[in-house]
Amino acid sequence: LAKTTQPISMDSYEGQEVNITCSHNNIATNDYITWYQQFPSQGPRFIIQGYKTKVTNEVASLFIPADRKSSTLSLPRVSLSDTAVYYCLVGDNLDSNYQLIWGAGTKLIIKP
Amino acid sequence: ETGVTQSPTHLIKTRGQQVTLRCSSQSGHNTVSWYQQALGQGPQFIFQYYREEENGRGNFPPRFSGLQFPNYSSELNVNALELDDSALYLCASSQDRGGYGYTFGSGTRLTVV
Repeated sequence: LAKTTQPISMDSYEGQEVNITCSHNNIATNDYITWYQQFPSQGPRFIIQGYKTKVTNEVASLFIPADRKSSTLSLPRVSLSDTAVYYCLVGDNLDSNYQLIWGAGTKLIIKP
Repeated sequence: ETGVTQSPTHLIKTRGQQVTLRCSSQSGHNTVSWYQQALGQGPQFIFQYYREEENGRGNFPPRFSGLQFPNYSSELNVNALELDDSALYLCASSQDRGGYGYTFGSGTRLTVV
């Protein structure tokens, strides 16, 4: 059963780059790594997804090393509105019972 | 395109009762999954449906059951409610299995008293 580990919380300041790392030691060969953002009383919102190396979109970058046992979400030039909980998601196949495992999330607080 | 909508937004039930939560998937999505999220915790996977069949289940007892309909909308049913069932219930849809770019609804806040 895959398990993800993230820092519980992080602080940063407006304009800084923020990197959040997730560990997923037992990721399956065909699984992707997906990151979500969640604001209070809202459903999670998709940020970015990747399989290996580096993926970049308009809001973030995702770095995945060759062994795929971890991934790092990078948020460039954060603003106050980036204060949220960030989740790392890895799919896990266990005896064909497809189970989606979420990390506990990282609470990111951006200060002025 | 419309997103994922859930109903009701809030609900209060008494211990022992049954509840049905509803979810309309985003247009074009054939996969729906349900999550339970307790206050301050990450979402816990309940189950997933792909083209009307359950294709994954988390560690939830059988009193948590679901359905996916031909139009890919979905229901979550919980029988014999317990106080610990109080949580935010999230529905998410996607075009494929595996956590690939799920679109989440805003959830149903269930309170069991």
